[in-house]
Amino acid sequence: DSGVTQTPKHLITATGQRVTLRCSPRSGDLSVYWYQQSLDQGLQFLIQYYNGEERAKGNILERFSAQQFPDLHSELNLSSLELGDSALYFCASSPSTGNNEQFFGPGTRLTVL
Amino acid sequence: QKEVEQDPGPLSVPEGAIVSLNCTYSNSAFQYFMWYRQYSRKGPELLMYTYSSGNKEDGRFTAQVDKSSKYISLFIRDSQPSDSATYLCAIDERNTGFQKLVFGTGTRLLVSP
Repeated sequence: DSGVTQTPKHLITATGQRVTLRCSPRSGDLSVYWYQQSLDQGLQFLIQYYNGEERAKGNILERFSAQQFPDLHSELNLSSLELGDSALYFCASSPSTGNNEQFFGPGTRLTVL
Repeated sequence: QKEVEQDPGPLSVPEGAIVSLNCTYSNSAFQYFMWYRQYSRKGPELLMYTYSSGNKEDGRFTAQVDKSSKYISLFIRDSQPSDSATYLCAIDERNTGFQKLVFGTGTRLLVSP
């Protein structure tokens, strides 16, 4: 158990809908990262927050947004969902921005029908 | 061309075999290289981390980086059925101090008893 929690474990929704994925980092970790893992694209970095501020952006679609709250938990919002958004979404945390180990949560499996 | 290329496998070996997993990358400026292990239905976990060229050993695992060839390898000695997992190479693209990982698509390893 990495200490990172993600809810929900599974999410099934329809195209055009909006969902929110939640992540609680390890105790004391200030940095949160979001990743998307699909069969054809592998694990892709989406966005990083550090102590409430956005610090790095990857291949995140404009339909997706994230935030990190004062208690350091983070939410990833996915809107206008498409079939291709079906994937595993992972959150990872680390103590700082430059730390070389990211601790991954168990993921949220999103299915868009 | 993808920034990180990795053979998806699956790679099937008998217990006790030496396993070689490999990745190639495109940007010679990369300096931080990692291997993550991902069991089925779990998040990735950091296995090995190396900086610049050379070898790093940890128990049955050896990570090797050849920057001149832009080639990274993970060797597993005396492989065990419990090593059956997907192995992801990752490269840290950081250039501003903030870690930004680019992952290979992963190689699925199956070790049979």
